[in-house]
Amino acid sequence: EVQLVESGEGLVQPGGSLRLSCAASGFTFSSYTMHWVRQAPGKGLEYFSAIRSDGRDTYYVDSVKGRFTISRDNSKNTLYLQMGSLRAEDMAVYYCARSSGTWASPWYFDLWGRGTLVTVSS
Amino acid sequence: EIVLTQSPGTLSLSPGERATLSCRASQSVSSSHLAWYQQKPGQAPRLLIYGASSRATGIPDRFSGSGSGTDFTLTITRLEPEDLAVYYCQQYGSSPETFGQGTKLEIK
Repeated sequence: EVQLVESGEGLVQPGGSLRLSCAASGFTFSSYTMHWVRQAPGKGLEYFSAIRSDGRDTYYVDSVKGRFTISRDNSKNTLYLQMGSLRAEDMAVYYCARSSGTWASPWYFDLWGRGTLVTVSS
Repeated sequence: EIVLTQSPGTLSLSPGERATLSCRASQSVSSSHLAWYQQKPGQAPRLLIYGASSRATGIPDRFSGSGSGTDFTLTITRLEPEDLAVYYCQQYGSSPETFGQGTKLEIK
């Protein structure tokens, strides 16, 4: 079955760190650009990071730049998100997602995971 | 960044009716790079439409997308109870990719 499964849910204090994982199966993970999208409680979707299929290029929106790091291990079919200096506004369900095409292609998301919850609170 | 504004915020319709959801961009979306997603309660989003009007794999033809420039529409015909969801538009014509705030579709 083609799927993405996130893990790493947790409660973290402001200023703390957390690492999320996203396990891919049913497709050739190493061929796809991968992304992270988040959804704060009761809010809409916010796109914030991408990584090229071979891991050599990454992209971040300004709100997470310098605090979050996206990476991947193609030998393990796994995407990662290392989050640091967490703030209350980072509290959200975090989704990994896949886009078809190359790194230079327009990014829309044809496969999503079910998400994992990150709670930031003291 | 391009801001997407969806309307209405909530739409309440009966089974069999037709739903029309709007997505308006703050500036022109290049090459009609606009997608629509469906998010059912407690589930991940699912791609419905890309390129403004192309249906994703497995999406029934009750779902159709149209529009260009700054105005886009998702139309759902012959509504079914299972269409209860929040629908989001997303532009991917310019960086950063952005989503609308969503339209909640209620089935009476």
